[in-house]
Amino acid sequence: EAGVAQSPRYKIIEKRQSVAFWCNPISGHATLYWYQQILGQGPKLLIQFQNNGVVDDSQLPKDRFSAERLKGVDSTLKIQPAKLEDSAVYLCASSLETGVGETQYFGPGTRLLVL
Amino acid sequence: AQSVAQPEDQVNVAEGNPLTVKCTYSVSGNPYLFWYVQYPNRGLQFLLKYITGDNLVKGSYGFEAEFNKSQTSFHLKKPSALVSDSALYFCAVSYSSASKIIFGSGTRLSIRP
Repeated sequence: EAGVAQSPRYKIIEKRQSVAFWCNPISGHATLYWYQQILGQGPKLLIQFQNNGVVDDSQLPKDRFSAERLKGVDSTLKIQPAKLEDSAVYLCASSLETGVGETQYFGPGTRLLVL
Repeated sequence: AQSVAQPEDQVNVAEGNPLTVKCTYSVSGNPYLFWYVQYPNRGLQFLLKYITGDNLVKGSYGFEAEFNKSQTSFHLKKPSALVSDSALYFCAVSYSSASKIIFGSGTRLSIRP
């Protein structure tokens, strides 16, 4: 079974530029998550989708971050404009369903450096 | 407030010795607890989880974890450490019907030959 795919793996941009990340979840997984992991910290949830609807985006900085999952499969996360503090690893995860105790499976992440 | 704590930033163990990585939690209601491992430049890999039932949970790569409700702990253990176990370990707790997970800050496990 293929895992969660993410691209690109690395990205370097200058502040105020825009950047987009792509995620393809495990086949058949209804729920998709985007996390931000700052160096030395645990992942922090940015947004959670159930199929193509948003379940939780309370931690997403909506003035600069946006995400979509138009067909209920793959998803994109965009930052525009980027700030220095956005330097982090962006992790995508998926789970079969939405529910307490559901196991989330993570992709390899995209490492973003904002200069 | 819901939270999970990993009190040790780093744990050092000699190969062949038993290892323990500590985790404590604070949630209202029943906790659902997870351990994940992260190798360099890779995403998080699921090790094991506690939902209900037996307090000792067995997972991947010979790891196990013990749920202790009275001490609100979920420590990760392995009887005999391998050098290849060296990685960053995260404890996490799920507490809502929307499967939201809160992660601890991580513990770096270093196994010396």
